[in-house]
Amino acid sequence: GAVVSQHPSWVICKSGTSVKIECRSLDFQATTMFWYRQFPKQSLMLMATSNEGSKATYEQGVEKDKFLINHASLTLSTLTVTSAHPEDSSFYICSARERLAGGPDTQYFGPGTRLTVL
Amino acid sequence: GQNIDQPTEMTATEGAIVQINCTYQTSGFNGLFWYQQHAGEAPTFLSYNVLDGLEEKGRFSSFLSRSKGYSYLLLKELQMKDSASYLCAVMDSNYQLIWGAGTKLIIKP
Repeated sequence: GAVVSQHPSWVICKSGTSVKIECRSLDFQATTMFWYRQFPKQSLMLMATSNEGSKATYEQGVEKDKFLINHASLTLSTLTVTSAHPEDSSFYICSARERLAGGPDTQYFGPGTRLTVL
Repeated sequence: GQNIDQPTEMTATEGAIVQINCTYQTSGFNGLFWYQQHAGEAPTFLSYNVLDGLEEKGRFSSFLSRSKGYSYLLLKELQMKDSASYLCAVMDSNYQLIWGAGTKLIIKP
């Protein structure tokens, strides 16, 4: 299957700082990437959908000024958590949609980034 | 509204067979996916069904009935490493994935 990388794998930062997470599709071009957040023992929560070259679409309740998403190329999307606070501590997972001619659109996930804000 | 239902938790014995059910109500249907997620890790893709019937892939099989809004994931010859959460997701008419809450599968020796 397709490979999606995510960097960093984990990050610890002080409250008030900003953190950038990168998501890359390594062996395919992804016109659409997704950012999820998952709290312990809870299901995936979609934060936003980003399409290459256009503004991200945020889910209800997700602050777009706090979670900045840039999908600059067909293989790279970034999520920046601005002025992070302890309640932003979570597992952030990106996924990229692979489109195959004659096949299903399938989402492949990056390994996730565990963010801890002190 | 859109809804995906699957059991919260199931327990099975090593070497046995387990079936995890998923029922859905969505606005449109463009396929159903099963993902496996180990604790602390991101989900990994297991299977995709868009037509009715059974898709077999090694020890794992997935079944779909579109008329009943129903799918199941069948795991055979269970191994301890199969202990994980199994997520059912449906792609709706906008090609967005609607996620179930996941079924935590516990394998006992």
